[in-house]
Amino acid sequence: EAQVTQNPRYLITVTGKKLTVTCSQNMNHEYMSWYRQDPGLGLRQIYYSMNVEVTDKGDVPEGYKVSRKEKRNFPLILESPSPNQTSLYFCAIQGSADTQYFGPGTRLTVL
Amino acid sequence: GENVEQHPSTLSVQEGDSAVIKCTYSDSASNYFPWYKQELGKRPQLIIDIRSNVGEKKDQRIAVTLNKTAKHFSLHITETQPEDSAVYFCAARKTSYDKVIFGPGTSLSVIP
Repeated sequence: EAQVTQNPRYLITVTGKKLTVTCSQNMNHEYMSWYRQDPGLGLRQIYYSMNVEVTDKGDVPEGYKVSRKEKRNFPLILESPSPNQTSLYFCAIQGSADTQYFGPGTRLTVL
Repeated sequence: GENVEQHPSTLSVQEGDSAVIKCTYSDSASNYFPWYKQELGKRPQLIIDIRSNVGEKKDQRIAVTLNKTAKHFSLHITETQPEDSAVYFCAARKTSYDKVIFGPGTSLSVIP
C-alpha cells in the first residue's frame, strides 16, 4: 500500500521564521502534490510535481516553494511564514488510476 | 479560473435515508471526477470516481452520476449509516498530469 509520511505533524512558529515540512513516499510514484485545508474552503492545491525537477503551481502557490531533487521526497518550504498560512497541510502522491493518497497532515500555526 | 462548486455545505439525514451531494465544474475539458471522504481528524480518502466516458458508476451503497453537458456530477449514498458521517469532497481535473480542483466540501451527519 502506498505510504506518505510528513514531518512535523504539528508546528507552532512565528512570523518570518523559515520552515520546511518534509514529505516522503515509499512507492516510487511520479506525481506528488501539496494541499492546504481551511474551513469552508476545502482542499486547495499549492504545488504539484510530475517528476524529478518538474514542478508546477497549483491554485494557491503564493508564499510557498517546493523542490523535487529526488523522486521520493517533496518538501514544502515557507521562506517567510505569515499568519494567513496557518492551516492544515497535506502531502499527497498519485497512485494507479489517478487516486490521490494523502499523508497524515501537518497542522501549522504561525503567530 | 477553474472552479468546482459543491452543495449543500451541510446535510443531515436520518439513518437509512438517502443522501445526495451535487457538484458543478467550470472547465469543460475536465474528464476525471473523484469523490473523497474525510472523517474527523483523518486524511481524505477516495471513495469513488468517474471518468467522462461514463454516465454512472456504482459501488455498493455509493453511486456517482455525471452530466457532461450540464457540467455537473453527483454523489448518491443509499441506506445511510452513522459511519457515513464525514466531510465529502468532490474534485475535477483534466488529465493525470494536471492540477486537481476540489470543491469546498459537504459535512454529512447521519442521525441514528
